[in-house]
Amino acid sequence: GESVGLHLPTLSVQEGDNSIINCAYSNSASDYFIWYKQESGKGPQFIIDIRSNMDKRQGQRVTVLLNKTVKHLSLQIAATQPGDSAVYFCAENRNGDNFNKFYFGSGTKLNVKP
Amino acid sequence: EPEVTQTPSHQVTQMGQEVILRCVPISNHLYFYWYRQILGQKVEFLVSFYNNEISEKSEIFDDQFSVERPDGSNFTLKIRSTKLEDSAMYFCASSDRAGANYGYTFGSGTRLTVV
Repeated sequence: GESVGLHLPTLSVQEGDNSIINCAYSNSASDYFIWYKQESGKGPQFIIDIRSNMDKRQGQRVTVLLNKTVKHLSLQIAATQPGDSAVYFCAENRNGDNFNKFYFGSGTKLNVKP
Repeated sequence: EPEVTQTPSHQVTQMGQEVILRCVPISNHLYFYWYRQILGQKVEFLVSFYNNEISEKSEIFDDQFSVERPDGSNFTLKIRSTKLEDSAMYFCASSDRAGANYGYTFGSGTRLTVV
């Protein structure tokens, strides 16, 4: 079932350290994934995406890993900065959805300590 | 960088009242969406809109909700008779193409508080 609740899991890291944020998805028909960053008072902002025919994709300071066997997605942020503090969501698009309907995960709050 | 603009940023309304949330999508985009996020919960799909009609809607999007593109720039979400449980952040998004494998741009949201 879906997980709902008022308390987001929080990851606290020291500035300069690497961060790893995890996401599990349940639908094997999902074939496209996006990581979004949401800062306080703002809408979700695209960070990086990955298609199901890949298991790794790198961007600037970010890497997304996809493990379809266990339906797991991770976001790695290198040299985390205070500006990275935000809530991070994974979102999945399911094969056969003709329009961009995304299913969002519950989110993880990243807290970067200076 | 082009933005999706939403107004107002915060709206307080009494239960049973009608509200209209407004969005100005990115100008060359053709696909429009509304999502909502109840405090502390997931972002949830409400509706997608293309070519002046609803493409898809979720079970949340019941007959109390409607969307409209009244002119070439605005995209609105109307809630006819608000309930307490409609209190949430409402995000508009737009994209320039459909199909899988394309993300889109979100606005900053309207916080709706129903009292």
